[in-house]
Amino acid sequence: EAQVTQNPRYLITVTGKKLTVTCSQNMNHEYMSWYRQDPGLGLRQIYYSMNVEVTDKGDVPEGYKVSRKEKRNFPLILESPSPNQTSLYFCASSLSQGAGRGGYTFGSGTRLTVV
Amino acid sequence: AQKITQTQPGMFVQEKEAVTLDCTYDTSDPSYGLFWYKQPSSGEMIFLIYQGSYDQQNATEGRYSLNFQKARKSANLVISASQLGDSAMYFCAMRAHGSGNTGKLIFGQGTTLQVKP
Repeated sequence: EAQVTQNPRYLITVTGKKLTVTCSQNMNHEYMSWYRQDPGLGLRQIYYSMNVEVTDKGDVPEGYKVSRKEKRNFPLILESPSPNQTSLYFCASSLSQGAGRGGYTFGSGTRLTVV
Repeated sequence: AQKITQTQPGMFVQEKEAVTLDCTYDTSDPSYGLFWYKQPSSGEMIFLIYQGSYDQQNATEGRYSLNFQKARKSANLVISASQLGDSAMYFCAMRAHGSGNTGKLIFGQGTTLQVKP
C-alpha cells in the first residue's frame, strides 16, 4: 500500500531533550515536506526537500532540522525542544514539487507535547 | 503574498442536506492548484478534490464538488447529501506553480463542520 509512515504518533517530552520524528514513504517520491498544525493557523511548512541531499527552509523553520540522505526518509529533528513547539506535525510527499492533481500524500500525524 | 482565507470557523448542517464551505485565495501566479482536505477527529489529512487554475470545468468527486470562480478568486467546496461521517475539519489549500515554486501548500485556517442527525 502506498503510504507515508510517521513515527511516533504521540510523544510527550521535556524541554531541551533532543528528539527525532521519522518519516518514510514507499512511493519513490522526490518531494517531501514537514508541516505543523496549530489552532487557528492551519498548516504551515517547516522544511521541504526536492530530492536527496536537497533541503530548504519553509515558513517556520526555527528550532528544527531535517536531513534527506535517502529518497524514502525525511526525519524531523528538534535539537532542543521548547513548549512553543507543542503541535501536530505532518510529513507529506509528492512525485515532484509541481505535482498536479495527484497532490500530496500525508502521514498520519505526530502529536508532540513539550513540557 | 499568497494566501488562503476560510471565513467560517464552524458550521452545522442537517444530515442529507447540502453544505457549502467557503474558500478565497490570493495569488499573482497564473498557474496554481487548489485542494480541499478533510481532517476527522482521528487527525489524518484526507485528500478530497483538486482544481487546476486552467481547468475549464468545476471539479467533482462523488458527493464533493468545487465551485471555482476564478474572477472572484473563490474555490468553495460543496458537499451534497451530508452524512454523519462528514463531521470533521476541512482545509482549503493552494500551491502556486510559478517560478520559484517550492511545492509548498498554503493552507487556510480550516472550517469545522458538524452534521446533525
